[in-house]
Amino acid sequence: GQNIDQPTEMTATEGAIVQINCTYQTSGFNGLFWYQQHAGEAPTFLSYNVLDGLEEKGRFSSFLSRSKGYSYLLLKELQMKDSASYLCAVRVNDYKLSFGAGTTVTVRA
Amino acid sequence: GAVVSQHPSWVICKSGTSVKIECRSLDFQATTMFWYRQFPKQSLMLMATSNEGSKATYEQGVEKDKFLINHASLTLSTLTVTSAHPEDSSFYICSASQGSGFRNEQFFGPGTRLTVL
Repeated sequence: GQNIDQPTEMTATEGAIVQINCTYQTSGFNGLFWYQQHAGEAPTFLSYNVLDGLEEKGRFSSFLSRSKGYSYLLLKELQMKDSASYLCAVRVNDYKLSFGAGTTVTVRA
Repeated sequence: GAVVSQHPSWVICKSGTSVKIECRSLDFQATTMFWYRQFPKQSLMLMATSNEGSKATYEQGVEKDKFLINHASLTLSTLTVTSAHPEDSSFYICSASQGSGFRNEQFFGPGTRLTVL
């Protein structure tokens, strides 16, 4: 089975930076995804890492260390609309995604 | 591009009835579709994987006779919850994949909220 851990909740101030960590133990690792999910809506794709290192995409960056089974999602210049749940998902073999429980980020003014 | 729709977006039904949920890929052909279930404040749990024209592969603990999946075409998959009970109330989300490409990305539908009374 897959074991994916991420913090349950985080709170930050508008304009600040927040880092959401994700650790995983899995067999057949084939990539790690980060998704954003607003309440009652489907997840939307944020980032994808399959090789070690940092992927930057505007205000969002994601990092992966395969040897450590560790990833983080970095959200910069936080905006109120960034309040959402952030899901770490590991792809196993060619296609299956296993999701973490999600981290609820609350952005305060 | 890569839009996935679900219908209905929400449904309320009586205990013992069956409910069908449709998942469509609107602008691409989906060789593989996935069905997830999400309970409040929990993560998405994969229920089954379906490939067009073949039987679905169910995850451990998911009853295949209760959750019937049909993937008759490259743009449509259906999930039928048979003899629904209150514990089946959940948010059901489908995703679709083209089965190729660098990320082999899954595109998610908007979800269907099922409430069983």
